[in-house]
Amino acid sequence: GAVVSQHPSRVICKSGTSVKIECRSLDFQATTMFWYRQFPKQSLMLMATSNEGSKATYEQGVEKDKFLINHASLTLSTLTVTSAHPEDSSFYICSAIEGRTNTEAFFGQGTRLTVV
Amino acid sequence: RKEVEQDPGPFNVPEGATVAFNCTYSNSASQSFFWYRQDCRKEPKLLMSVYSSGNEDGRFTAQLNRASQYISLLIRDSKLSDSATYLCVVNRNYQLIWGAGTKLIIKP
Repeated sequence: GAVVSQHPSRVICKSGTSVKIECRSLDFQATTMFWYRQFPKQSLMLMATSNEGSKATYEQGVEKDKFLINHASLTLSTLTVTSAHPEDSSFYICSAIEGRTNTEAFFGQGTRLTVV
Repeated sequence: RKEVEQDPGPFNVPEGATVAFNCTYSNSASQSFFWYRQDCRKEPKLLMSVYSSGNEDGRFTAQLNRASQYISLLIRDSKLSDSATYLCVVNRNYQLIWGAGTKLIIKP
């Protein structure tokens, strides 16, 4: 099946710094990418949807100035957590769909962010 | 009311039992439907797409009823390795709408 690579898998950062997470579709062009956050023992929570070349659509309650999403190409989307705080510590997962002929979503491996 | 609703769970069932998951969706414009499985601390993985005609993959059977806006997943002869959270996902205009998931615990 299609592969989505997410990097890094784990990151520890100091409070107040910014962290960038990359999501790449390796063998298909992703028209749409999704970013999710998952706190322990909770379900996936959609943060934002990004379409290549356009601004991301953020879910209610997600601060777009804090969680910067860039989907500059059909194979790469990035999520930058700016001025991270301990409450931003979570598991962040991206997924991508080709969209034109296939609506199956493929997931990255996830990034465990710990803010200390 | 959530757009995609699933049984709250968890389901605790003995090994070998048959387990049924239910999911309802509220938007009739929904176009495609999936079941995903998520193991603890891992990313979700596609289990099956769901078609109106129903589809089966080994011990797993998925059904879709568009008139009732209802999706189901049946697991027969459950194994210990089936323990996971099962997520119902609906695609509407390329927006993936997720159910909260139902946790399944298979006991020996």
